[in-house]
Amino acid sequence: SQKIEQNSEALNIQEGKTATLTCNYTNYSPAYLQWYRQDPGRGPVFLLLIRENEKEKRKERLKVTFDTTLKQSLFHITASQPADSATYLCALAGMDSSYKLIFGSGTRLLVRP
Amino acid sequence: GAVVSQHPSRVICKSGTSVKIECRSLDFQATTMFWYRQFPKKSLMLMATSNEGSKATYEQGVEKDKFLINHASLTLSTLTVTSAHPEDSSFYICSAMLGGNSNQPQHFGDGTRLSIL
Repeated sequence: SQKIEQNSEALNIQEGKTATLTCNYTNYSPAYLQWYRQDPGRGPVFLLLIRENEKEKRKERLKVTFDTTLKQSLFHITASQPADSATYLCALAGMDSSYKLIFGSGTRLLVRP
Repeated sequence: GAVVSQHPSRVICKSGTSVKIECRSLDFQATTMFWYRQFPKKSLMLMATSNEGSKATYEQGVEKDKFLINHASLTLSTLTVTSAHPEDSSFYICSAMLGGNSNQPQHFGDGTRLSIL
């Protein structure tokens, strides 16, 4: 079955550094991958979408890469700020329907001032 | 744009009560909405796909008679947890897609924290 893995341990970094979060998947080839941010007690907020034929996508301080050979996506936040502290979820299109998303369990990011 | 409102944000009720949660797309029409359940520090688990004007599609293991979904208009889907019990306590989140194509992001409500005593 499809499996999505994100580092369950919190990532703790100093303000100004680049945060890099990893999303690995197995057992299928999604047409696209999405990243979301979730704050405690809130719903996820969409950040970026990258398609299987795209290697990299950027939006302001955010950068996502998608390596279909390694079955991995990396999510980078450059010049990180304390306000970037949140849980970041990766999501892949389901095998049986491209409308449905399968979510990873998320990685919590803590940016120290 | 693409705002989704979910109501109520929190519900505390007695065992055996039925609870209705509303999900509205405020500034767009959503032919497809999704209902998720999330346990503490866990991922979102898709419960069902709600399609306007037709029956919802439930994921394996989700009881249709327990979690009733109605998508009567292009801006409103409701989830009713019938005869709720303590094990139904959870964080329920809805989302809506803008447009009818795949490769679109989902726009989420802020969730409903359901606590059954």
